[in-house]
Amino acid sequence: KNQVEQSPQSLIILEGKNCTLQCNYTVSPFSNLRWYKQDTGRGPVSLTIMTFSENTKSNGRYTATLDADTKQSSLHITASQLSDSASYICVVSVKGGSYIPTFGRGTSLIVHP
Amino acid sequence: DSGVTQTPKHLITATGQRVTLRCSPRSGDLSVYWYQQSLDQGLQFLIHYYNGEERAKGNILERFSAQQFPDLHSELNLSSLELGDSALYFCASSSVSTGPGNTIYFGEGSWLTVV
Repeated sequence: KNQVEQSPQSLIILEGKNCTLQCNYTVSPFSNLRWYKQDTGRGPVSLTIMTFSENTKSNGRYTATLDADTKQSSLHITASQLSDSASYICVVSVKGGSYIPTFGRGTSLIVHP
Repeated sequence: DSGVTQTPKHLITATGQRVTLRCSPRSGDLSVYWYQQSLDQGLQFLIHYYNGEERAKGNILERFSAQQFPDLHSELNLSSLELGDSALYFCASSSVSTGPGNTIYFGEGSWLTVV
């Protein structure tokens, strides 16, 4: 069964600090992995998209890594800001003609001043 | 603003009723996706349409149906509503059908409360 597990479930950090969120998946065959940021009550916003051959992808202060051998990904947030407080969702899609994503439950990040 | 428009933003209805959620994709986007997000299930993929044709089905109940019209807007129909159908329903769009290169843009969602 295709699954995406994210950890930690929630995280509280101080403004200016760095943090790393984890995503482990069992989705196969793998096509791509996406990280989304979702503010409470809003639609998710795409941060990064990575394919099998990509190890690292950056988007400003967000850096995602992918290890396709161990089926793990991480999202590193540098110099956190209050506006980073949100849920971060990892989504993995299967390879093939159809787009069928499997979503993680997300990591809830709270950044305190 | 993602460019994806969803209506209504909020909807309260009774069990057993039927509702229709509407989605206008970003200008030029041919793909429309529907998702359901509930507190206990998280985000779940429901269905994907590309240029009017159904491309993929996820965890969509038989009581739910969707379609994409020639002008590319889409509707999600929910019938025989149950309390457990209360959720935030998202529509999203992208310019292409599949593949890692297609950024998917989400609307702000339609909050459905079934009482």
